[in-house]
Amino acid sequence: DAKTTQPTSMDCAEGRAANLPCNHSTISGNEYVYWYRQIHSQGPQYIIHGLKNNETNEMASLIITEDRKSSTLILPHATLRDTAVYYCIVRVAGRIQGAQKLVFGQGTRLTINP
Amino acid sequence: GAGVSQSPSNKVTEKGKDVELRCDPISGHTALYWYRQRLGQGLEFLIYFQGNSAPDKSGLPSDRFSAERTGESVSTLTIQRTQQEDSAVYLCASSSGTGDGYTFGSGTRLTVV
Repeated sequence: DAKTTQPTSMDCAEGRAANLPCNHSTISGNEYVYWYRQIHSQGPQYIIHGLKNNETNEMASLIITEDRKSSTLILPHATLRDTAVYYCIVRVAGRIQGAQKLVFGQGTRLTINP
Repeated sequence: GAGVSQSPSNKVTEKGKDVELRCDPISGHTALYWYRQRLGQGLEFLIYFQGNSAPDKSGLPSDRFSAERTGESVSTLTIQRTQQEDSAVYLCASSSGTGDGYTFGSGTRLTVV
């Protein structure tokens, strides 16, 4: 299973862009990169995912390097409510044909400061 | 319903008792997942179901843990002879299986005393 490496923690000032890095150097060609976040005492929340092209939605942007060995999640204008643990996950193929499970690492604890 | 529903939200049980945790996935979602999260830790995969295929049980920590799912609806996670190390939040997620994001429930906080 492809593994991901993220910094344990990061800080960002409110209103600035938060850039969260993730390394996934062993990613396979058909594996997607997913980002989730978990706000205290809640279940994880899906943010965005991508294969090789950069992606953007109403929550964030995902920049994937050309060699796909790393990616960056960008929260363009961070607010205090963005304080959470952010998980970068590579989607692996499960043992059931056609099904895929997510393997979570320890994530990055992002703190947005006023 | 609109989201993944789990019950109970909190459960306190005595060591050695059996517990059953329930998950109602989003209607139409063929894939269902169970994860465990101990205090201050990341998510630990337990088991998942995809349609009518045999479940992937590779994450279950011991034979005291089992899970069932009826078709593409409700799933129950059963822990027999609970131990204190089973104390954790048990999270359920479902997806349509098409590659879109998974939706998690709010979890069941299990405390074994």
